[in-house]
Amino acid sequence: GENVEQHPSTLSVQEGDSAVIKCTYSDSASNYFPWYKQELGKGPQLIIDIRSNVGEKKDQRIAVTLNKTAKHFSLHITETQPEDSAVYFCAASKGFQKLVFGTGTRLLVSP
Amino acid sequence: EAQVTQNPRYLITVTGKKLTVTCSQNMNHEYMSWYRQDPGLGLRQIYYSMNVEVTDKGDVPEGYKVSRKEKRNFPLILESPSPNQTSLYFCASSPETGQNTEAFFGQGTRLTVV
Repeated sequence: GENVEQHPSTLSVQEGDSAVIKCTYSDSASNYFPWYKQELGKGPQLIIDIRSNVGEKKDQRIAVTLNKTAKHFSLHITETQPEDSAVYFCAASKGFQKLVFGTGTRLLVSP
Repeated sequence: EAQVTQNPRYLITVTGKKLTVTCSQNMNHEYMSWYRQDPGLGLRQIYYSMNVEVTDKGDVPEGYKVSRKEKRNFPLILESPSPNQTSLYFCASSPETGQNTEAFFGQGTRLTVV
């Protein structure tokens, strides 16, 4: 079955810096790659997603890139702010809403 | 307000005492699922349901049961809880079963089995 690895497990940056979180997946049939943000005491919330027919997608300060050949996808956050501090999860799916999640990255943005 | 509601938010119970965690969504979503979240392991799917009366095992179904008698409700049942089921549980729903779309998560239920 699908396996998703996520790195790093923790990431500390200064406010205004960029943050990059990387994931790799194992099943070449996967075609949907969402990123979820989980704030303390809350459930995960979708922040951006990308499908396999697209190489990059951007939404204001966040962007996701996908390299299907290497089976890598990454989350990029620019101009980080303290409210970006949270746990971020990547996931991969080949359909029917079956999501396989990475192990999570705790991002800490210091003022 | 569109939401997924889980109850209770926190629960401490003893080994072997049957319990149910409720999940309800008000968005008329077809797909519902349960995940458990453990440190270093991310979120793992327990069970899912593609529609009323249609349920199937996820990746870690042992020790759990579910039912989907109504579209909006998807309770998680632990018939005989054990300490290794101590975890943070999330219910999620998605509009449809086919094309992948956003999953909406509840606030979570923190379960401790002693």
